[in-house]
Amino acid sequence: EVQVVESEGGLVKPGGSLRLSCATSGFTFSKFTMNWVRQAPGKGLEWVSSINNSSNDIQYADSVRGRFTISRDNAKNSVYLQMSSLGAEDTAMYYCAGEFELWGQGTLVTVSS
Amino acid sequence: DIVMTQTPLSLSVTPGQPASLSCKSSESLLHYDGKTYLYWFLQKPGQSPQLLLYEVSSRFPGVPDRFSGSGSGTDFTLKISRVEAEDVGIYYCMQGIRPPWTFGQGTRVEI
Repeated sequence: EVQVVESEGGLVKPGGSLRLSCATSGFTFSKFTMNWVRQAPGKGLEWVSSINNSSNDIQYADSVRGRFTISRDNAKNSVYLQMSSLGAEDTAMYYCAGEFELWGQGTLVTVSS
Repeated sequence: DIVMTQTPLSLSVTPGQPASLSCKSSESLLHYDGKTYLYWFLQKPGQSPQLLLYEVSSRFPGVPDRFSGSGSGTDFTLKISRVEAEDVGIYYCMQGIRPPWTFGQGTRVEI
């Protein structure tokens, strides 16, 4: 059974940092490009970042470049999103997705004082 | 960035009747490899998005054949041959030809 499970998000103060994890199983993780997609409350989907299977092709949305860092550990079948300098505009449900085919249930990140 | 525009933004349908959703891109999604990188997703209420179609018209495994996709270049259509109650939600198109990958604003389908 395919599983894609994001770590718990949480409440972060403006300017703060948070690291999201996404643990996977049930598919050949090392062959998949992994993505983070977010959805602000009541809004549509926004792609955030992608990392290819060998970590040599990494992409970021302009809205997070320089503040977020994506990484992966193929030995642990996991992908990560290190988020820093968070602002209210980063408040969203964050989804981990393999090749846009396999999606997690999402984790809520709220940036508020 | 490639802009994806979906119409209509909202659609009320009758079970058993067909439905048609449109998606237009600001640039051609035809790649030099011959493939067209247009995806359709459905986000059911309270759920994560799920992939319905990739490369315009290929159904992801497990997707019912009442869902079909068509189009080329910059104009695309998702058709539901006979809408069922479980098809309610928000449908998003997305371009995958070059980053940043961009989504349309979504079409809300309700019964």
